[in-house]
Amino acid sequence: LAKTTQPISMDSYEGQEVNITCSHNNIATNDYITWYQQFPSQGPRFIIQGYKTKVTNEVASLFIPADRKSSTLSLPRVSLSDTAVYYCLVGGTDKLIFGTGTRLQVFP
Amino acid sequence: DAGVTQSPTHLIKTRGQHVTLRCSPISGHKSVSWYQQVLGQGPQFIFQYYEKEERGRGNFPDRFSARQFPNYSSELNVNALLLGDSALYLCASSLSHRKETQYFGPGTRLLVL
Repeated sequence: LAKTTQPISMDSYEGQEVNITCSHNNIATNDYITWYQQFPSQGPRFIIQGYKTKVTNEVASLFIPADRKSSTLSLPRVSLSDTAVYYCLVGGTDKLIFGTGTRLQVFP
Repeated sequence: DAGVTQSPTHLIKTRGQHVTLRCSPISGHKSVSWYQQVLGQGPQFIFQYYEKEERGRGNFPDRFSARQFPNYSSELNVNALLLGDSALYLCASSLSHRKETQYFGPGTRLLVL
């Protein structure tokens, strides 16, 4: 399964847009890209999933370039409650391989 | 609609004991997966079950076993507990075992003393 690389941590302020980029150079043709959010002592929460181009839902947008070797999760106008760990995963969704994630800290 | 539920929420055991963790999937979901999350790391895949059959297994010793019942609920069993088994154990359910979004429960926090 494709290995992902994402920043260990990011800081932001309330109201700003946050973009977290994930590299997955070895992504396979059939792999999807999925992002999860996790708060301390809770299970990961599904945010968004995509295969190519752009996907948008009520929570976030996911940008995937044509070569699919990277992806960017965009969180519009973050709030304090968005402080969490964000995981980028690639692969079939039957067996999720988590990395260490990106710890996002939002300040007032 | 109820999400994935897990029981118990917290558990304390001693080395050598065994433990059984339980998971009820979202209604209509037929696949259940188990993950172990050690503090500071991402969840690690243990098992996936679909229609009561094991569909995948991660790199965990035989002390770890699981099963799925006709109502699609699942149990994770860990024998001969070690200190290193202390972790958050997460259950996730999905409609099937193929390319479906997995939804996680709140987890069971296991502490082995």
